[in-house]
This record gives sequence, structure tokens and C-alpha cells, in this order.
Amino acid sequence: EIELTQSPATLSVSPGERATLSCRASQSIYIYLAWYQQKPGQAPRLVISDASNRATGIPARFSGGGSGTDFTLTISGLEPEDFAVYYCQQRTNWPWTFGQGTKVEIK
Amino acid sequence: EVQLVQSEPEVKKRGESLKISCKGSGYSFPKFWIGWVRQMPGRGLEWMGIINPGDSDVRYSPSFQGQVTISADKPISTAYLQWTSLKASDTAIYYCARGPSGVLDSWFDTWGQGTLVTVSS
Repeated sequence: EIELTQSPATLSVSPGERATLSCRASQSIYIYLAWYQQKPGQAPRLVISDASNRATGIPARFSGGGSGTDFTLTISGLEPEDFAVYYCQQRTNWPWTFGQGTKVEIK
Repeated sequence: EVQLVQSEPEVKKRGESLKISCKGSGYSFPKFWIGWVRQMPGRGLEWMGIINPGDSDVRYSPSFQGQVTISADKPISTAYLQWTSLKASDTAIYYCARGPSGVLDSWFDTWGQGTLVTVSS
């Protein structure tokens, strides 16, 4: 089973600043990584697919990068609605797995 | 509009059986994979399994194999997740999500609202 490790666990950022989240895989997952956003009491929402493609309706301030084992999600100019928990997920091998999540909180 | 609507919250006792549902609308239900994801209280997300409603091809995560059954009823565009004997540790929110059509070469981009299952002893 492929393990995904996210860092940091919590990121404290002021509105308008940039947030950079990391996801590291235990083996190469090529570009088969997605990022999901989850707000309290809500279902996850797909943000980035295939490492760098923004999902439908996702603002341009969200960007993803990386390949192989190291990936990043960058949110440039944090808006109030961006404060949430973000999970990475791989679909290279079944069972698909999620990282443990990074909480982006208001500083 | 593509939508997945899940069944209402459930409160059950340990040892009881349960079947929760996920109804798809706004698209051709048999053509798209459906997945189930567990979120235990205050915890992260875990894939439980996926089903192709068109041919009932089911894949379980090893952690959930033998613990749950995933099924689908094409005529009523509904997928199910069921337990025969609930444990307290099954207390969680369960999400269904819609995946790609045919080959598993894309992501699960539409999610249900979640069903909270509470199991008391």
C-alpha cells in the first residue's frame, strides 16, 4: 500500500498570504495525485487532479506541482473561504490512499 | 446537474445490520464508478471500495474486505454500503463519490453529502 505523508500538519497563514502544502509518496506515483479540500461539516471537494490540473470551478490561485514522489499544493493570496483541511490522494495502485491532511488555519 | 444524494443519519446498536444508500442523478448511473470513503470522528479519509454499477465489478480495500458489502441497483440508480454486524468502531461519516466512466483513469469528482453512522454499545 502506498503511503502518503503530508506536511505540515497545521499551517497558520494570514489572509492574502501564500500557503504551500507538501505531500510525499512512499514510492513513485508518477503524476497520479489529487488534492481535496474539506471544510467542517462538508464533503471533500476535488481541487487538483493529475498533480497540476485545476478541477472545474477552482480559482487560479490554486496550483499544484510535482511528480514521482514529491508534490506541492500552493494557494496564492489566501481568501477566507480557503481555510480548510487539504488531503492528497494517489490512484496509482489500489488501494488508493489519502494523506493524513494539512489544516490551513487563519493566523 | 450531477448529484449524489445519500441516505439519512443512522443510530444503531452493536451487532445490528445496516445498509446505507447513495442515489445518483443527472447522469447515466451505470456508466460511472462509485466509491465509498470512510471518515472516522476527527480523522482523515479512507477508501473502502469502489463499484462499477454497469457490471457490478467491485474492488475492496484490504482493510475493509470482508467487513462490508458494496452493491448497486442500476434501475434505481443507487449504490449501497452494508454491514451485517456493526461494531462501535464503525461509527463514522461515510461518503460516496462518482468516479470516471469505464476505465479507472480519472478522479472521483462529485461527492455525496455523507451519511453519519453512529453505533452504540
